[in-house]
Amino acid sequence: QIQLQQSGPGLVKPSQTLSLTCAISGDSVSNNSGAWNWIRQSPSRGLEWLGRTYYRSKWYNEHAESVKSRITINSDTSKNQFSLQLNSVTPEDTAVYYCARGTRSRSGWYPYDYWGQGTLVTVSS
Amino acid sequence: QSALTQPASVSGSPGQSITISCTGTSSDIGGYNSVSWYQQHPGKAPKLMIYDVSNRPSGVSNRFSGSKSGNTASLTISGLQAEDEADYYCSSYRSSSPLYVFGTGTKVTVV
Repeated sequence: QIQLQQSGPGLVKPSQTLSLTCAISGDSVSNNSGAWNWIRQSPSRGLEWLGRTYYRSKWYNEHAESVKSRITINSDTSKNQFSLQLNSVTPEDTAVYYCARGTRSRSGWYPYDYWGQGTLVTVSS
Repeated sequence: QSALTQPASVSGSPGQSITISCTGTSSDIGGYNSVSWYQQHPGKAPKLMIYDVSNRPSGVSNRFSGSKSGNTASLTISGLQAEDEADYYCSSYRSSSPLYVFGTGTKVTVV
C-alpha cells in the first residue's frame, strides 16, 4: 500500500519561504522507475505542475519556468521523503499543494498514480 | 503557461454516455501519447483514471475510456452513475515549460 503523507505549515508570511515535506511509505524515493512531483491547485491558476525529482544512477531535478528561480526540491533517502521549498512567496502562491508519484509507463511517460492528501498553504501577513 | 482547454461543464442522466474534450497543440497533446485524465471529488486529491491516452489503471472501471485525435484528447464515461459526479482534468507532457500541463477542468453533473 503506497502512501504519501504531507506535512508543513498552512500559513506563510509574504516574502518568506514555503516548506513542505512528503513522506513515502510502500515505495522508495530512489526507485528507478519513479518520479516525485509537486503540484499545486488554486482557483485562479487551476492545477499547476511545479517540479519533480527522480533518481537514475544520480539525482535529477526539473522545474516549471514560472517558479524556477524560487523553487528547490530535495530528496532525503534516509527518511524516504522529498521536500519542496518555495522562496519569496506572495499571495499569488496561495494554493493547495500536492505531492504525487509519477510511475514510468510502458510508453515511457509518468502519470501521477499516487497523491498526498494536499496541504492548503495561505500566504498572508 | 497556457492550460489545455476543456469545457467548463458537462451533464448527463444516469446510464447515459458523456464525452469530455481536452484541446491542446502540437507541442503537447498532438505531439505525444502522454495524455492522462484525473477525477477529483470535492476536498480530495485527484485520482488517475486514464494514462497514455487510453490505458486504465488497475481498479478503474471500464466505463471510463480515452482517445486522441490530432491536438484533442477525449474522455468518455459510459453508463453514467451518480458517483461519477466530480471534476475531471486532462494532463499532457509539453515540449516547453512547464513540461507538464493540466487542463482547465470539467465539472460533470449527473442530473
